[in-house]
Amino acid sequence: DAGITQSPRHKVTETGTPVTLRCHQTENHRYMYWYRQDPGHGLRLIHYSYGVKDTDKGEVSDGYSVSRSKTEDFLLTLESATSSQTSVYFCAIGLAGSGQVRYEQYFGPGTRLTVT
Amino acid sequence: AQSVTQLGSHVSVSEGALVLLRCNYSSSVPPYLFWYVQYPNQGLQLLLKYTSAATLVKGINGFEAEFKKSETSFHLTKPSAHMSDAAEYFCAVSDPGNQAGTALIFGKGTTLSVSS
Repeated sequence: DAGITQSPRHKVTETGTPVTLRCHQTENHRYMYWYRQDPGHGLRLIHYSYGVKDTDKGEVSDGYSVSRSKTEDFLLTLESATSSQTSVYFCAIGLAGSGQVRYEQYFGPGTRLTVT
Repeated sequence: AQSVTQLGSHVSVSEGALVLLRCNYSSSVPPYLFWYVQYPNQGLQLLLKYTSAATLVKGINGFEAEFKKSETSFHLTKPSAHMSDAAEYFCAVSDPGNQAGTALIFGKGTTLSVSS
């Protein structure tokens, strides 16, 4: 258990509303990630963070923003939710390896978001 | 860019039969490779990882995988399937050429069904 929680676990929202998902870790890991999972696509990276206030975009970042003001919390915000953002969102922490290489990641339980 | 291909979106086996889930990666540099399992309505759990040590990697629940550089493959096997192995399995690769915060690149997943 990597001590990762996500909130909320389920959310239904309307198109055009802002939504914030929270990821919380208890083990002080530097690297955190947000992925979305869609049928037939596996998991795709939205944004990641390599430290407090240090974030970068992933493969599918359009329409999403993130913030990390504390090591333990990584927030994902949908500024104006669209139906195409209906998905399951997973947060992950990454274990640091040597040099530039990062090792495995551990995942939270996920948030199921439905945009109507 | 790295990519991961999982051959077969759905594999069905009988209880007690061999499980073989295929994964091929594209990279000119041997990456780090991972297999994850996802049970319904849960997050992803790490099964095993290859990080340039032994090419035959043993994981949890009796699974193992062999890294074959010449074939750019990392197939997952289990000698005897159990009903509890029914789940979705994801192969993932870590891109050693990426900068800080290397994310995992996932295959699209293979659903394993086990019949009695």
